[in-house]
Amino acid sequence: ETGVTQTPRHLVMGMTNKKSLKCEQHLGHNAMYWYKQSAKKPLELMFVYSLEERVENNSVPSRFSPECPNSSHLFLHLHTLQPEDSALYLCASSQDPQGANVLTFGAGSRLTVL
Amino acid sequence: AQSVTQLGSHVSVSEGALVLLRCNYSSSVPPYLFWYVQYPNQGLQLLLKYTSAATLVKGINGFEAEFKKSETSFHLTKPSAHMSDAAEYFCAVSRQGAQKLVFGQGTRLTINP
Repeated sequence: ETGVTQTPRHLVMGMTNKKSLKCEQHLGHNAMYWYKQSAKKPLELMFVYSLEERVENNSVPSRFSPECPNSSHLFLHLHTLQPEDSALYLCASSQDPQGANVLTFGAGSRLTVL
Repeated sequence: AQSVTQLGSHVSVSEGALVLLRCNYSSSVPPYLFWYVQYPNQGLQLLLKYTSAATLVKGINGFEAEFKKSETSFHLTKPSAHMSDAAEYFCAVSRQGAQKLVFGQGTRLTINP
């Protein structure tokens, strides 16, 4: 596989469920990101990891819990979500998190919270 | 703080016509500027980027953008639209040393046959 792969592509969960989104990159990049894409809103940066260390946490509620076990994998653990958390969650990677580096995005995980 | 404004959430052009998608940025330091495209059910992919070299930047699929510091703009153009250009386009700004890429709200481009 090449690029950035996200699973699952679609997820429906109740507010009391616990689920996880997975992201894997095959590009040898050192930085990974979670973005939230909601209808009619700009992409929101949630978390940034550089060399497996979290370098940015953009005031995200604690019901979202990221995990980066190595530079190729990134998880987003979800628990007790709200309906307004329904969105497309995009994972991305880059060579490093500085300025001019290009992000490579996955296709996203479409989350619906009932 | 940096910000991006994309003028027009929806642009519609005829096939073969000029495509012009507008982006204005705000940055207190020299910016890095990007255009990304998102096709239905896909993630974003890079069209082109400006990093303080040539002010006219050529990208993939015949798109180009011109950095105009005096106008704080980075508009995206394509001389002749193709049906396959229908997608959502995002302008984004960053700067040296920053870990955050700030995106505009996006412009949905529709191509009429």
